[in-house]
Amino acid sequence: DTAVSQTPKYLVTQMGNDKSIKCEQNLGHDTMYWYKQDSKKFLKIMFSYNNKELIINETVPNRFSPKSPDKAHLNLHINSLELGDSAVYFCASSQDHRGDSYNEQFFGPGTRLTVL
Amino acid sequence: AQTVTQSQPEMSVQEAETVTLSCTYDTSESDYYLFWYKQPPSRQMILVIRQEAYKQQNATENRFSVNFQKAAKSFSLKISDSQLGDAAMYFCAYRRGFGNQFYFGTGTSLTVIP
Repeated sequence: DTAVSQTPKYLVTQMGNDKSIKCEQNLGHDTMYWYKQDSKKFLKIMFSYNNKELIINETVPNRFSPKSPDKAHLNLHINSLELGDSAVYFCASSQDHRGDSYNEQFFGPGTRLTVL
Repeated sequence: AQTVTQSQPEMSVQEAETVTLSCTYDTSESDYYLFWYKQPPSRQMILVIRQEAYKQQNATENRFSVNFQKAAKSFSLKISDSQLGDAAMYFCAYRRGFGNQFYFGTGTSLTVIP
């Protein structure tokens, strides 16, 4: 069973389009994240949701809008795509229980977004 | 804010040899967690090993072990008997004892030479 899944895995689109990436986790975690990994492999946190509430919102253009319909899902919608948005986007989840040994992040397979 | 530094952008090792990847972090907290993640060309992020700051014993997972020096704020990863499948990008990560934010280093690209 896939713990954290993302769809699609590849996304090629034209500049100016609007696209969404979906993420689902079946681990029962209460926190979910979106990361952007650029061509140099740097991982940058974009958003974090805890029990459907936004708790981290880094300096990200407001063209990016996360939506969490429930604890198990965190989707990323991107408006007016630009060339610089080309990257790999990772969804992740974790459980916020102090003392819980399983406190690492679990990552989805990533979505490679290419903007032409 | 916490920062995680990986000073080796690239490393290489001969197959069957041992290699150590370095990681340092900056924090004023006493309770936290440290992780090493591996990202092979498939791009999937895979947890290699974790360490709780309150545990003095260094974590080990088969051929992977860490050297955790809390006072020096150092968390290096040792890979013994390196295999071709170990070739990947390795990320060091820090998590506070409370809260949900993780801090990642910039990664070390490991090449394994046959």
